[in-house]
Amino acid sequence: EAGVTQSPTHLIKTRGQQATLRCSPISGHTSVYWYQQALGLGLQFLLWYDEGEERNRGNFPPRFSGRQFPNYSSELNVNALELEDSALYLCASSRRPGQTRAGSYEQYFGPGTRLTVT
Amino acid sequence: GESVGLHLPTLSVQEGDNSIINCAYSNSASDYFIWYKQESGKGPQFIIDIRSNMDKRQGQRVTVLLNKTVKHLSLQIAATQPGDSAVYFCAENNNAGGTSYGKLTFGQGTILTVHP
Repeated sequence: EAGVTQSPTHLIKTRGQQATLRCSPISGHTSVYWYQQALGLGLQFLLWYDEGEERNRGNFPPRFSGRQFPNYSSELNVNALELEDSALYLCASSRRPGQTRAGSYEQYFGPGTRLTVT
Repeated sequence: GESVGLHLPTLSVQEGDNSIINCAYSNSASDYFIWYKQESGKGPQFIIDIRSNMDKRQGQRVTVLLNKTVKHLSLQIAATQPGDSAVYFCAENNNAGGTSYGKLTFGQGTILTVHP
């Protein structure tokens, strides 16, 4: 079974530009999550999409946005890039979690996209 | 705010020894926990998970212990091998928690180094 895939592997942009990152989930998973991992830091939750809709959002400015397509793949868009946006962007997928205490499922991660803003 | 943290940022062990990686969490409502392993240049790899209705769960060479009384999570790796060298993250979730729905909150990570 293929895992979560992400593209591109590396992306170099300059300040003020826009970046688009892509993710394909594991077959059968409808939920896609985006996380940011800045150098030396842990993973910070960005966005969660399920069935084409944004379900939850982390503490990031609106210039971080995305969407999910009918085939459950997803894009993360970062507008007006800033130097501090340089990080590894990780996508994960899972079955849709239930909104209950027993509703969590493991999230499987892709290899990430390394975004460098100069 | 609520967070998940790690007591020890680095751990060095000899090959064949057992390793114990610890994690403290502050959200008493957290009911699901995961351990991930992240090797250099790769995404986090799922190791093992545990729900709050359990206090121990075993996998292949790994055991996760959950102590809800003191809000502590640990990962035990038996007969540690050089290939186990990586950064280990704990993460927590509470899907009944409104704004926490769907998101994992990660600790800062522990670097495990296994010496041959």
